[in-house]
Amino acid sequence: AAGVIQSPRHLIKEKRETATLKCYPIPRHDTVYWYQQGPGQDPQFLISFYEKMQSDKGSIPDRFSAQQFSDYHSELNMSSLELGDSALYFCASSPGGRTRDSYEQYFGPGTRLTVT
Amino acid sequence: AQSVTQPDIHITVSEGASLELRCNYSYGATPYLFWYVQSPGQGLQLLLKYFSGDTLVQGIKGFEAEFKRSQSSFNLRKPSVHWSDAAEYFCAVDSGGGADGLTFGKGTHLIIQP
Repeated sequence: AAGVIQSPRHLIKEKRETATLKCYPIPRHDTVYWYQQGPGQDPQFLISFYEKMQSDKGSIPDRFSAQQFSDYHSELNMSSLELGDSALYFCASSPGGRTRDSYEQYFGPGTRLTVT
Repeated sequence: AQSVTQPDIHITVSEGASLELRCNYSYGATPYLFWYVQSPGQGLQLLLKYFSGDTLVQGIKGFEAEFKRSQSSFNLRKPSVHWSDAAEYFCAVDSGGGADGLTFGKGTHLIIQP
């Protein structure tokens, strides 16, 4: 079965640079979520989109922005990178709507961002 | 705001022994509860979920969990663990608002002894 695709899988950037992470949800999933997981930490919710509109916002820094496109893929843009941004960034998708299935989030493999 | 507590940071179990991982939640209404498993450097895989109805839910890989409203708990169990079960286990809660982010516990690291 098709899964959530994230690219790139690994990314190395220097401080103050910009990074863009991409997420391709499972086909027919219209809701996308972004999470940040620091070393040895639990995943922290950043932001979500439903039908291309921002739905919920968590602890996303002002330096980060995200959007969902017409084909439902999403991009997380990170500017003025700091050492503390080094983490595993997960994207998850769900079918959306208000059925029980819409509450099941399926996670991608993650993008490991290292800021030096 | 909802929160999740996993009291055990590490748990060591012998292969073939039974397992119980604890999870307590704090939320005003009936929450949607999940257990995820994460192998090192990997993504999170959904083991099982509770929305409503039967308080004992079955998941993949032989796992089950029981929702106890009176104790605000959602403990994960497996009757006989295998070495491949060694991983990080996260309990999570969804407020049920639709497209809301999950709130995760800090995780429990499961070690399997031969």
